[in-house]
Amino acid sequence: EAGVVQSPRYKIIEKKQPVAFWCNPISGHNTLYWYLQNLGQGPELLIRYENEEAVDDSQLPKDRFSAERLKGVDSTLKIQPAELGDSAVYLCASSLGGSNTEAFFGQGTRLTVV
Amino acid sequence: RKEVEQDPGPFNVPEGATVAFNCTYSNSASQSFFWYRQDCRKEPKLLMSVYSSGNEDGRFTAQLNRASQYISLLIRDSKLSDSATYLCVVNSGYSTLTFGKGTMLLVSP
Repeated sequence: EAGVVQSPRYKIIEKKQPVAFWCNPISGHNTLYWYLQNLGQGPELLIRYENEEAVDDSQLPKDRFSAERLKGVDSTLKIQPAELGDSAVYLCASSLGGSNTEAFFGQGTRLTVV
Repeated sequence: RKEVEQDPGPFNVPEGATVAFNCTYSNSASQSFFWYRQDCRKEPKLLMSVYSSGNEDGRFTAQLNRASQYISLLIRDSKLSDSATYLCVVNSGYSTLTFGKGTMLLVSP
């Protein structure tokens, strides 16, 4: 069974340019997460979806970040415009949902803004 | 106080040593707990869930103390391949997963 699939794996863009990341969760997983991870830090939640509904986006910088999960399956995270400080690894994860189920991560997208 | 706090690393131990990592969490309503392992430039992967009664998986033992809001991970007979960052994860509500900063373990020959 395929795990969480993310693309692209790497992205280098100039500041002020837009960028988008794509995630396809494990089949049947209703909960989808986008995390940001800086070097030497743990993953920090950006947004969590339950099916197509964004139920926790309190940490998403909404002035430049947006996300969607239109059909409750795959999801896209966008940054526009990107800033130098956005350089990080963007991780997507999915789970069955509920309080006792673990999350499975994709390989992440490593973004470098120059 | 941060939601999930872990021992700062790195921990440098020789092969065969026993090492323990500690983690505290601030939300007393937290419902479930996990340890994840993250290798350099890789994604986090579940190592083990942590149950109230404590649980063991081979050389790894996880324990939970709800009264003290404390979680631990014990690794016995460390192997070179155990070198990684260990992330403490708390589910503080319905699917709300909060990660600690992680503790790096370096096992040397």
